[in-house]
Amino acid sequence: DIQMTQSPASLSASLGETVTIECRASEDIYNGLAWYQQKPGKSPQLLIYNANSLHTGVPSRFSGSGSGTQYSLKINSLQSEDVASYFCQQYYNYRTFGGGTKLELK
Amino acid sequence: QVQLKESGPGLVQPSETLSLTCTVSGFSLTSYSVSWVRQPSGKGPEWMGRMWYDGDTAYNSALKSRLSISRDTSKNQVFLKMNSLQTDDTGTYYCTRDPRAFDYWGQGVMVTVSS
Repeated sequence: DIQMTQSPASLSASLGETVTIECRASEDIYNGLAWYQQKPGKSPQLLIYNANSLHTGVPSRFSGSGSGTQYSLKINSLQSEDVASYFCQQYYNYRTFGGGTKLELK
Repeated sequence: QVQLKESGPGLVQPSETLSLTCTVSGFSLTSYSVSWVRQPSGKGPEWMGRMWYDGDTAYNSALKSRLSISRDTSKNQVFLKMNSLQTDDTGTYYCTRDPRAFDYWGQGVMVTVSS
């Protein structure tokens, strides 16, 4: 089974700051990676698919990059509505989620 | 528009079987796959298994011995059955549309395993 290691587990940042979240796969997942945002009491929402493609309606301050086993999600100019938990997920072989990153405002 | 909605009992006794239904609209189960995902409170999601658009299934190896996923395309429904429930099976259970990334999610159903 492919394991996904996400870091950091929690993050505190200021409004307007740029934030980066990392995800490492236990083997090459060939860009079969998605990022989700989840707010308290809500279902996760797709942000990024295929490692770097923005899902419909997602603000352009979100971007994804990476290849092989290393991937990252970047949020430019952090907004208050971005306070949430973020999860990576591989779908190259079955499906596996990372442990998540809880993003808070400093 | 695309919608998924989970239904089922909120409380299950330990050692019993959980049965959940995912009712979908806005897309065909013969064109899109559907996955089940669960999430313990305060923790990350866990993929449970998938009903492929062609009727095949795939399961998380950690749950495979306890889990069964089926469907009724005439009713636009996907079913989850998991037996031998324990307290650590407590959490929110979601169904999702799964063309690869999970582009649509249901609202989730909270399941508590307790006597």
